[in-house]
Amino acid sequence: SYELTQPPSVSVSPGQTARITCSGHALPKQYAHWYQQKSGQAPVVVIYTDSERPSGIPERFSGSSSGTTVTLTISGVQAEDEADYYCQSADSSGTYWVFGGGTKLTVL
Amino acid sequence: EVQLVESGGGLVQPGGSLRLSCAASGFMFSTSWMSWVRRSPGKGLEWVATIKEDGSAQFYEDSLKGRFTISRDNAKNSLYLQMNSLRVEDTAVYYCARGHYEMLTGYYFAFWGQGTLVTVSS
Repeated sequence: SYELTQPPSVSVSPGQTARITCSGHALPKQYAHWYQQKSGQAPVVVIYTDSERPSGIPERFSGSSSGTTVTLTISGVQAEDEADYYCQSADSSGTYWVFGGGTKLTVL
Repeated sequence: EVQLVESGGGLVQPGGSLRLSCAASGFMFSTSWMSWVRRSPGKGLEWVATIKEDGSAQFYEDSLKGRFTISRDNAKNSLYLQMNSLRVEDTAVYYCARGHYEMLTGYYFAFWGQGTLVTVSS
């Protein structure tokens, strides 16, 4: 089955830039989406179709894609950004969806 | 306001069955793809199943095919997940999610409910 690979954890100080990567062999052909899940809460989409930001999501969240890797960038990290972040995409069929293993962002 | 409210979770013994429901409001349910996603304790998110807007096609995570069935009732704005032959490893919070699908851009989970906890234990 298809897999997306993320680093288990990323740590940054407030005001710094956090970058979370996600790798998968189908990513050149399938868009990726990113979700934030804070403790005890439901997930929220923060980036869709590689780089689009939903209304209500702060501008410090951005996404990019290059080959088999997509990246979620959080510029000027704030304490409230501490959460688990998941990438999501589809395999080459387009109708089998997977999540990355998740990355725990710690704000020091 | 978009709302998704899951119900039906609880404690069930291994080998048992459970039916989850999701009540939708605040959007055109009958034109939306819908999904179930779960998160097991100490683990990450896992896609479970997705159903097209008219119920004409269902898609499942490979390991769950044959045990789980997703369905919907557009007249009642409701989504369901029938879970049979439950295993300890099915213990998780199950989320109902409204999907966004476009041919060119694919599918993502645009809005999520708060989830319902399913515990499989003897």
